[in-house]
Amino acid sequence: AQKITQTQPGMFVQEKEAVTLDCTYDTSDPSYGLFWYKQPSSGEMIFLIYQGSYDQQNATEGRYSLNFQKARKSANLVISASQLGDSAMYFCAPRPSNYQLIWGAGTKLIIKP
Amino acid sequence: DAGVIQSPRHEVTEMGQEVTLRCKPISGHNSLFWYRQTMMRGLELLIYFNNNVPIDDSGMPEDRFSAKMPNASFSTLKIQPSEPRDSAVYFCASSLTSGPEWGTDTQYFGPGTRLTVL
Repeated sequence: AQKITQTQPGMFVQEKEAVTLDCTYDTSDPSYGLFWYKQPSSGEMIFLIYQGSYDQQNATEGRYSLNFQKARKSANLVISASQLGDSAMYFCAPRPSNYQLIWGAGTKLIIKP
Repeated sequence: DAGVIQSPRHEVTEMGQEVTLRCKPISGHNSLFWYRQTMMRGLELLIYFNNNVPIDDSGMPEDRFSAKMPNASFSTLKIQPSEPRDSAVYFCASSLTSGPEWGTDTQYFGPGTRLTVL
């Protein structure tokens, strides 16, 4: 069975510091995508960043980057220079081939001023 | 460009009533997904369509739930009769593709419908 682990149910971080949100997954499929979404308190689900399992370089998108370690089945999200607006739930969601997104339980991030 | 549109944004109904949730996917997207989110169970995929055809409805809780996609720009999720345990946020999402050749088929979500069944 596919399994996602986001080990940090909640995190408090000082504004302007960098944040690393952990995600490990259990899939036997060698080919997959890895997606991260943000859900602020307003409720919408916002796509942040994507990594393909065969991509040679870690994905980056503005202040977001992925620390992707395929052998460890780990894809941690790094947010640089955190802002108050980064306070939200963050979901890691792998998508193995021939399968749909598998959702983790999420990490609640709170940025302190 | 317009994102995924859902209506209504909030729905309060009484047990036993029929509820219809609506979704308009992003123009040009050929896959559509219905999700349900609760505190207890997190985000669950209910059903998804590819080119207007239901591909996997194994996540639909029971026969009280049904979903249709009569054309590429409209889908409905119906609950009849509704029960208090159906209270949740229902999301619709769409993507450019969702076949085995998954590629970068990012799913884009609508704002959700918050359903409360009394």
